[in-house]
Formats: sequence, structure tokens, C-alpha cells
Amino acid sequence: EDQVTQSPEALRLQEGESSSLNCSYTVSGLRGLFWYRQDPGKGPEFLFTLYSAGEEKEKERLKATLTKKESFLHITAPKPEDSATYLCAVQAGGFQKLVFGTGTRLLVSP
Amino acid sequence: DTEVTQTPKHLVMGMTNKKSLKCEQHMGHRAMYWYKQKAKKPPELMFVYSYEKLSINESVPSRFSPECPNSSLLNLHLHALQPEDSALYLCASSQDGLRREGNRGKLFFGSGTQLSVL
Repeated sequence: EDQVTQSPEALRLQEGESSSLNCSYTVSGLRGLFWYRQDPGKGPEFLFTLYSAGEEKEKERLKATLTKKESFLHITAPKPEDSATYLCAVQAGGFQKLVFGTGTRLLVSP
Repeated sequence: DTEVTQTPKHLVMGMTNKKSLKCEQHMGHRAMYWYKQKAKKPPELMFVYSYEKLSINESVPSRFSPECPNSSLLNLHLHALQPEDSALYLCASSQDGLRREGNRGKLFFGSGTQLSVL
């Protein structure tokens, strides 16, 4: 069965304190790994797609990387506005089904 | 317009009520999705419509009935719900069925309908 596990569950950082979020996955035939950001009371917002081990994507203070077993979301010098839940997901079974991890709730304090 | 619009934002209903959730997008997307999300849990796929035809039903109880009147609209009809059905119901759309490499995994979500069943 395809599984996605994220750690830590919650992370509290001071503004400017860099860190990484982890997403471990077990899938039969990875078609892609995806990162989303979700603010409270809102739907998830797409951030990145990673297709193969070694691939990296960047957007502002966020950088996503992929290995054969896990993905990392690196946050460099975070700001309070980066506070959100970060979800990773994989395509499972058919192309139309995404399986989401339980997310990491990030809180960045000024 | 890159928005997916869901109405209502909040809904409280009794177990004998019938209600409908609505979702609309004008991005020309041909696939639309319903997800259910409980507090502090990940979104879980319920239904997928591709080119206005139901392509995935994740064994959802029949008290949830989806409908796709046209490529821009998606409804979820609710009847005889249980208190455990209380959750955030999210609608999403994508350019196609997430098959093309450039579109894979790229869902556009609405803000959801927060449903409470009493």
C-alpha cells in the first residue's frame, strides 16, 4: 500500500532560523512527489512537483529536494508569513489520485 | 481567473436534512475533485470527475452523491448524514487527469465548506 509519512508533526522556529521538513514515502512506481501549503481554514496551495531522485525546486525561501525514499522541504531564514501546514503527496494507483501525508504544522515567531 | 469557488463556506445541518455543496471554476479545467478533511488530518479523496464523467469513487457512502452538470460546476448532494461526517469538504480542479508531466499533482483547491452535522 502506498504510504506517506511526514515529520515532525509540528515545528516552531524563530524568524530567521532555518530548518527542514521531512516526507518519507513508500509507493510502487513513483510518478511524482508534490508539496502543498495549507493555511488555516483554506484549501491546500500547490508549491512544487518533483519527479526523480536528485531533483530540486526552489521558490523564495523554500527549496524541495527528492531522494529515492524521501523528500525534504528546506526553509531558509523563515518569516512569520511562512507559518502554515506543509503537506506532501504522491500519485498513487491511477494518475488522478493523490495520497497526502499528515502534514507538518510550522509556526514561525517574530 | 485562477480561483475555485465553493459555497457555502459554512453549513450546519441535521441528520434528516438534505443539502448541497457547490463548486465552480473558470480555468477551463476538465477534471474536478471532492476531498474530505478532518481537523489535523490530510485531505482524503472522495470523488473524481474527468470530462464530466465520474472516474473515481473511493467507496464513499451513498449519503454523499456527486454531480457534475458541466465542466465548470461540481456539486455534492448530502442526505441523512451522520455527526462523524462533520469535516471540511474541499473541491479541487486540474487541467486534465494529472497525467501530463507538467500538470502532475497540480490541483487547484477551493477554500472549502466547513460542514457540521448535528
